Amino acid sequence: AQSVTQPDIHITVSEGASLELRCNYSYGATPYLFWYVQSPGQGLQLLLKYFSGDTLVQGIKGFEAEFKRSQSSFNLRKPSVHWSDAAEYFCAVGAKTDKLIFGTGTRLQVFP
Amino acid sequence: DAGVTQSPTHLIKTRGQQVTLRCSPKSGHDTVSWYQQALGQGPQFIFQYYEEEERQRGNFPDRFSGHQFPNYSSELNVNALLLGDSALYLCASSSPTSGGPYNEQFFGPGTRLTVL
Repeated sequence: AQSVTQPDIHITVSEGASLELRCNYSYGATPYLFWYVQSPGQGLQLLLKYFSGDTLVQGIKGFEAEFKRSQSSFNLRKPSVHWSDAAEYFCAVGAKTDKLIFGTGTRLQVFP
Repeated sequence: DAGVTQSPTHLIKTRGQQVTLRCSPKSGHDTVSWYQQALGQGPQFIFQYYEEEERQRGNFPDRFSGHQFPNYSSELNVNALLLGDSALYLCASSSPTSGGPYNEQFFGPGTRLTVL
């Protein structure tokens, strides 16, 4: 069955520190992978996506993610976190007909 | 270019009532998907509409139904509301003509439904 696991429910980092949010997926075919961010009371904004090719993808707001097929992972990283990055982050895998399967999310808290 | 819009923003209903949520897709998009996001959870796929027909459905009961209009806008209807239906309901639109191997979903801000 298709699924996405985000093992970290809540992460706290200091402003300026590096960040890595974990994502593991289960999908039979070549996965289309996404990271979305959701600020309180807001909808979902796409940070980045992976379809094929270079396994390191760059996104908006200084985020990047690396696809590792052998580990079924698609971890999100940022070298230096800003206070405005505090939000909920969702990893998702795209199934056929554009349906998205989301993980349960990781809440990021940033301390000054 | 307006993005995906949803109405209303917030809604309060009581158990047993019926509710209709509305979505207007991004300009040029003809496919609309609906997701339910319960508090503290990731969005879950309800169903998808294309060419005014339900193309795919997630694991939701028949109390959840939808419609797509000729202008591609869509409605989500929920009958016999339960307390557990309280959630943020997200609409996403896409277009098969966008190119590439996958049609990116663009999300609206959602409708917050509270069932008392």
